[in-house]
Order: sequence, then C-alpha cells, then structure tokens
Amino acid sequence: QVHLVQSGPELKKPGSSMRVSCKASGGTITSGISWVRQAPGQGLEWMGGIIPIFEVANNAQKFQDRVTITADESTGTAYLELSSLTSEDSAVYYCARSRSRQGRPDRYFDSWGQGTLVTVSS
Amino acid sequence: SYVLTQPPSASVAPGETARITCGGNNIGGKSVHWYQQRPGQAPVLVIYYDGDRPSGIPERFSGSNSGNTATLTISRVEAGDEADYYCQVWDVSSDHGLFGGGTKLTVL
Repeated sequence: QVHLVQSGPELKKPGSSMRVSCKASGGTITSGISWVRQAPGQGLEWMGGIIPIFEVANNAQKFQDRVTITADESTGTAYLELSSLTSEDSAVYYCARSRSRQGRPDRYFDSWGQGTLVTVSS
Repeated sequence: SYVLTQPPSASVAPGETARITCGGNNIGGKSVHWYQQRPGQAPVLVIYYDGDRPSGIPERFSGSNSGNTATLTISRVEAGDEADYYCQVWDVSSDHGLFGGGTKLTVL
C-alpha cells in the first residue's frame, strides 16, 4: 500500500490562498489522487481529483472556481490549491489515492494521507 | 444530485453485531465503499465494492448492497471498533466522489 505524506498545518488570512502537497512513497499515484476535506465536527466532503496520466482534474461543482488540483507523476506528488479563503474553509484536508477495478469507472480510496489542518482567521 | 443517507449514530454492546446502513435511490445499482475513521485519525478503507475486504481488515467486517440500502455489518464488536463510519459511491455520470454523512458507532 502506498504511504501518503502531506505538508504541515497552515494559518491563512481570509481572501488568501492555500496550497497543500501530498507525496507518495512505497507506491505510485498513477491510478489517481482525490482531495477530501473535513470541517470541525463534520463529515467527509469530496473536493476533486486527478488522474496524473490524463493531467485533467475533475472538481466538485461547489469548488469549481476556486480549486486547482495538479499532480507530478515523476515525483509522486499531488497538490491542492484553494483560493479566496473564508472561515468556512477551515478544515482538515486529506489526499487519498483513488483506485478502480479493471474496466470499471467507479472509484474508491485505498490509502489516505495524515491530513493537513488549515485554519482561516484574521 | 445523488444523496447518501446514514443514521447519525448507532450503539452496540461488545460481542454483539452492529449494522450501519447507507440509503440511496437504487443504491444497489452502484458500488458502495466503507471507511472507518477513529477520532483524530485519517479514514481507513474497510469494505470496497460492496463486500470486499482490503488486506488487514478483520473478517468481522462485511458488507451488502441491494435495492435502496447498503449495509456495513460488524460482527463480534470490540471496543476498538468505536469510530465514525462513512459510505461512499462514485457518481459515474459526473465522475465525482460522494460520501454519506457518517454514522458514529458507540460501543456500550
């Protein structure tokens, strides 16, 4: 199983942008990476994902205009950028490797990063 | 858009069987995956494609999916099973992931 290590916690001002990284070891991210966030006391929320070989990200409508997901397959690293931050973006952000059974379009998440706490506060 | 509905909480005595449901319109026609999240930790995949177990997950964990309800079953519940459990599907039409709201399992 791949081990995903994320960058450290961040404190951001409202209106600014955040960037979180996710580096794989012991495996590859070729099958895909998704980003999932969890606000304090809340459930899991899928934000978007990317399959590195296609180099095209697919993002949830809610974040469409503010999120950028990229991946560098050569270094096994994926990135999440979120702009125009508000206090409602304060959350733990997880990267997760996405997989699918051969020939099937639906995906699941077999390995998760440790999470990155992002706090948005003036 | 598609909605997954989970009960907010469930409780079970040690050694008993816990059943956590995930409701959705004709969810039996989709593949359902389940995650366990202990407090302060990242989620862990416990069931994928309705009933398959990843390596390292005890046989006590099983899943089923039919009609409008998918179910995660945990047999011979232990104190360490106390956690939040989330179901997940993939919306193939939009190519998006989707989670249920989560169920907090309390071991009495």
